[in-house]
Amino acid sequence: KNQVEQSPQSLIILEGKNCTLQCNYTVSPFSNLRWYKQDTGRGPVSLTIMTFSENTKSNGRYTATLDADTKQSSLHITASQLSDSASYICVVRAGGFKTIFGAGTRLFVKA
Amino acid sequence: GAGVSQSPSNKVTEKGKDVELRCDPISGHTALYWYRQSLGQGLEFLIYFQGNSAPDKSGLPSDRFSAERTGGSVSTLTIQRTQQEDSAVYLCASTLGGGRSYEQYFGPGTRLTVT
Repeated sequence: KNQVEQSPQSLIILEGKNCTLQCNYTVSPFSNLRWYKQDTGRGPVSLTIMTFSENTKSNGRYTATLDADTKQSSLHITASQLSDSASYICVVRAGGFKTIFGAGTRLFVKA
Repeated sequence: GAGVSQSPSNKVTEKGKDVELRCDPISGHTALYWYRQSLGQGLEFLIYFQGNSAPDKSGLPSDRFSAERTGGSVSTLTIQRTQQEDSAVYLCASTLGGGRSYEQYFGPGTRLTVT
């Protein structure tokens, strides 16, 4: 069964600190993996996309990693800001148009 | 440029009533998706439109749910005889094409509450 599991479910950190969010997937065939940021009351917005051959990709303070052998991905946020408070969703694209979404990690950044 | 828009942003309806949710995709995008997001759950795929092809309705949870896309642009998701378990945020996304690398651009969603 195609599944995407994220951890932790929620996370509270102080402004300026770093954090890492995890994503494990059992999706086959694998096409690509995206991390989305979803602010409250808004639709998800893509942060990064990674294909099978890519191990790491950065977008500003966001760095995503992918280990296709262990089927794990992580999203590292550096020097967190209050505006980073959001849900972060790991999304795996399977064959065809099928897209499997994780339940997300809810990040709270406190001053 | 204009993104994906959805209306209404919020809808409260009584159990048993029908509702229509609208999605305006980004101009020129050929593919359109509907998802449902329940509290604490991942997005649940409902239906997919790609160009003039027959839509993939495999994610629709029951025959009370239907969707259409007129003229390859605007899409309407209709829920008949709403139930309380239909309460969720309904998100629409569009992509430039049907290929795997195309990013899905999401609308802000419609929050549906069935009382």
